Amino acid sequence: RKEVEQDPGPFNVPEGATVAFNCTYSNSASQSFFWYRQDCRKEPKLLMSVYSSGNEDGRFTAQLNRASQYISLLIRDSKLSDSATYLCVVTPASGGSYIPTFGRGTSLIVHP
Amino acid sequence: SAVISQKPSRDICQRGTSLTIQCQVDSQVTMMFWYRQQPGQSLTLIATANQGSEATYESGFVIDKFPISRPNLTFSTLTVSNMSPEDSSIYLCSVDRLVGSNEQFFGPGTRLTVL
Repeated sequence: RKEVEQDPGPFNVPEGATVAFNCTYSNSASQSFFWYRQDCRKEPKLLMSVYSSGNEDGRFTAQLNRASQYISLLIRDSKLSDSATYLCVVTPASGGSYIPTFGRGTSLIVHP
Repeated sequence: SAVISQKPSRDICQRGTSLTIQCQVDSQVTMMFWYRQQPGQSLTLIATANQGSEATYESGFVIDKFPISRPNLTFSTLTVSNMSPEDSSIYLCSVDRLVGSNEQFFGPGTRLTVL
């Protein structure tokens, strides 16, 4: 089983739609969780951290389910500019070392 | 936020040659990281560049193939040695946003094509 798994998509949705991505991780000792956004031919950029209590930033909501070992990203009222690849990142707790593991990303296409 | 630049932004190289990629940060950082992103794949950590000591390499990556320098707290280089077409990839450096935050800033990347 891969350490971090994401549905590669693409998710093809109309403007204004609500779309959700999940990401599962295999290491139950994982410590930190993030969603990054990567536009075509660009570097990844941090979208949001994922906290145990869940967190919201405008149209974006991230949640963590430790029992089932997955994190989710919900995008409401999708915009054309949301089209990108969304990378799930998990940092395991391993003797204090920091080795982030990236998922392959979920591709989102928002169309008019 | 940190401002990170990389040189070159892209290159096309011949098999068997080597390329050195530079990463410059506008502030002092403790840890710098080098990643590879192959076409259609996610990011894979190559190594952590430590100032004043040897880099720490991840499984599958060795110093002879990917020598790294870290002469100070704002600069690092990654060399891709004896290149083959399988080394064609995007190479990215990154730094922690805040010490211990585990949130990373990435440089713009170096797009390498090996013929």
